[in-house]
Amino acid sequence: QKEVEQDPGPLSVPEGAIVSLNCTYSNSAFQYFMWYRQYSRKGPELLMYTYSSGNKEDGRFTAQVDKSSKYISLFIRDSQPSDSATYLCAAQGGGKLIFGQGTELSVKP
Amino acid sequence: SQTIHQWPATLVQPVGSPLSLECTVEGTSNPNLYWYRQAAGRGLQLLFYSVGIGQISSEVPQNLSASRPQDRQFILSSKKLLLSDSGFYLCAQRQGDRNTIYFGEGSWLTVV
Repeated sequence: QKEVEQDPGPLSVPEGAIVSLNCTYSNSAFQYFMWYRQYSRKGPELLMYTYSSGNKEDGRFTAQVDKSSKYISLFIRDSQPSDSATYLCAAQGGGKLIFGQGTELSVKP
Repeated sequence: SQTIHQWPATLVQPVGSPLSLECTVEGTSNPNLYWYRQAAGRGLQLLFYSVGIGQISSEVPQNLSASRPQDRQFILSSKKLLLSDSGFYLCAQRQGDRNTIYFGEGSWLTVV
């Protein structure tokens, strides 16, 4: 079993839709959680960083962590074609930083 | 802020040829540096990490090696490339006690 699991998609939504991207993790030592956005043929860029359970909001993006169920989510409101990219979740703790496989998102105009 | 320079951005190399990918970083001194590989349709695989000059830890035994000759320079090398070495190579850095890492723009390697 992978320590961080992420559905690779692809996920296709119409412009303006609410997007939900999800990951699960298995290691209870993970304490820090991140979401990265990666455009085609570019390096991943850090979108969100969270430490505790709960929600963190930044503009149209909301990161959610539920440590009891080991579930992390990224919500994108009012999705735009420019949001089309691969989104990677990551979890860190116990000396490890583990990435999910990435979910490919396409937002259609 | 963190700035990571990688070069070359793209290269095509024949099987059996050597490889050298270079990464230099800006920002505070003594960053933790990482080399990741991202194969097509797959996630990020940690190859090497370094906590200081001359200190390299290998995560996956393979055809590659890494060196850190200077505080802000990290080099990925191979003496003889294999077809399976093709992929997107990313340099990353973590500064001090921050728990996030930042990536460079990557180097695309195609071994033919």
